[in-house]
Amino acid sequence: AQTVTQSQPEMSVQEAETVTLSCTYDTSESDYYLFWYKQPPSRQMILVIRQEAYKQQNATENRFSVNFQKAAKSFSLKISDSQLGDAAMYFCAYRPPTYSGGGADGLTFGKGTHLIIQP
Amino acid sequence: NAGVTQTPKFRVLKTGQSMTLLCAQDMNHEYMYWYRQDPGMGLRLIHYSVGEGTTAKGEVPDGYNVSRLKKQNFLLGLESAAPSQTSVYFCASTPGGWDSNNEQFFGPGTRLTVL
Repeated sequence: AQTVTQSQPEMSVQEAETVTLSCTYDTSESDYYLFWYKQPPSRQMILVIRQEAYKQQNATENRFSVNFQKAAKSFSLKISDSQLGDAAMYFCAYRPPTYSGGGADGLTFGKGTHLIIQP
Repeated sequence: NAGVTQTPKFRVLKTGQSMTLLCAQDMNHEYMYWYRQDPGMGLRLIHYSVGEGTTAKGEVPDGYNVSRLKKQNFLLGLESAAPSQTSVYFCASTPGGWDSNNEQFFGPGTRLTVL
């Protein structure tokens, strides 16, 4: 079974600075999908960014970017120019490839990192 | 377009009572999921469905039953609630098919407390 590990239960950063959230995962597959979800106090799960394992280029969405190291099975999220609205729980998630039933099997989540933004 | 909705938003049950959580989506998605979120545990998959009339077990299925009689609805039932089922429950859906890049769209969650 796949496992996703987020080793930082809580992180704190000053507004406008950069912060990196760590995620490692374990899988025997070579093709899979990785996601970062944001959960603000409203409880709503919001997709931040996604990465396909077969793509070597790191995904970027505005101030959010990832550092995908496939050999190390590492998938970190970098938030640049942190804003107060970025304060939330952040979850890393794994999805197996389609040919192994993936997508149908749902996501495997890490335990989350609570991000605090200091004004 | 309401997306994914969940009913109710909050509920308090006594041990042994039963209830059904309703998830509805208006995006014509094939796949639907039920997750539970406990403090410090992240989200864990309870059951899922890949189409109308189909259901399958996820990581933590014990104590729950599900049904998908209509494509747009996915019901989660607790026949005899236990305090261990106190949690926040999330429903999600995705178009499905061979494009695994499809995002899962989540509902707002249901906070259930079992006394």
